[in-house]
Amino acid sequence: EVQLVESGGGLVQPGGSLRLSCAASGFTVSSNYMSWVRQAPGKGLEWVSVIYSGGSTYYADSVKGRFTISRDNSKNTLYLQMNSLRAEDTAVYYCASLTVTTTSNWFDPWGQGTLVTVSS
Amino acid sequence: EIVLTQSPATLSLSPGERATLSCGASQSVSSSYLAWYQQKPGLAPRLLIYDASSRATGIPDRFSGSGSGTDFTLTISRLEPEDFAVYYCQQSWTFGQGTKVEIK
Repeated sequence: EVQLVESGGGLVQPGGSLRLSCAASGFTVSSNYMSWVRQAPGKGLEWVSVIYSGGSTYYADSVKGRFTISRDNSKNTLYLQMNSLRAEDTAVYYCASLTVTTTSNWFDPWGQGTLVTVSS
Repeated sequence: EIVLTQSPATLSLSPGERATLSCGASQSVSSSYLAWYQQKPGLAPRLLIYDASSRATGIPDRFSGSGSGTDFTLTISRLEPEDFAVYYCQQSWTFGQGTKVEIK
């Protein structure tokens, strides 16, 4: 069974840093496109970042230059390093596998999410 | 950048009724480029439909997707109690704002 389990969320002050982890089982992170999607309290879904199997990375404009996506193949784990955090980064962060075809893309499966709260 | 507009924002229906949710894209990327997700409170989104009309593994056949280009529809033929949730469409890196299906 494929399972993604996020960890690392918590309360951090504005300007602070946090690193989220997403441990995968039944599934190889390095062989797949992996993404982070976030959801602010009471709001909709927002794509944050993706790392392709070949290592290329892409970011939403709202986090570019502040967040870094990476993976550790030996630990089969995806990461999101978040620096210079702002109040508007407060959200539940989900990791998800991304399937890309010539005509479409979709996110599946998803982890259970980890809550990041940026507040003084 | 693609903008996805979902309507209505809220749909109030009774169990057993048919639900029709719409998703409009600001531009056409490809004819079948759309996915649908269901999200219940406190849980992660769950993939329902990909490629506009293909059901994901384990999704009941009361869920169906249709449409192409810029206009897409998710239909739930007969609402079960567990179907009351928020539904999102997605294309490329963009999600719609969601439609809440609530019990009338």
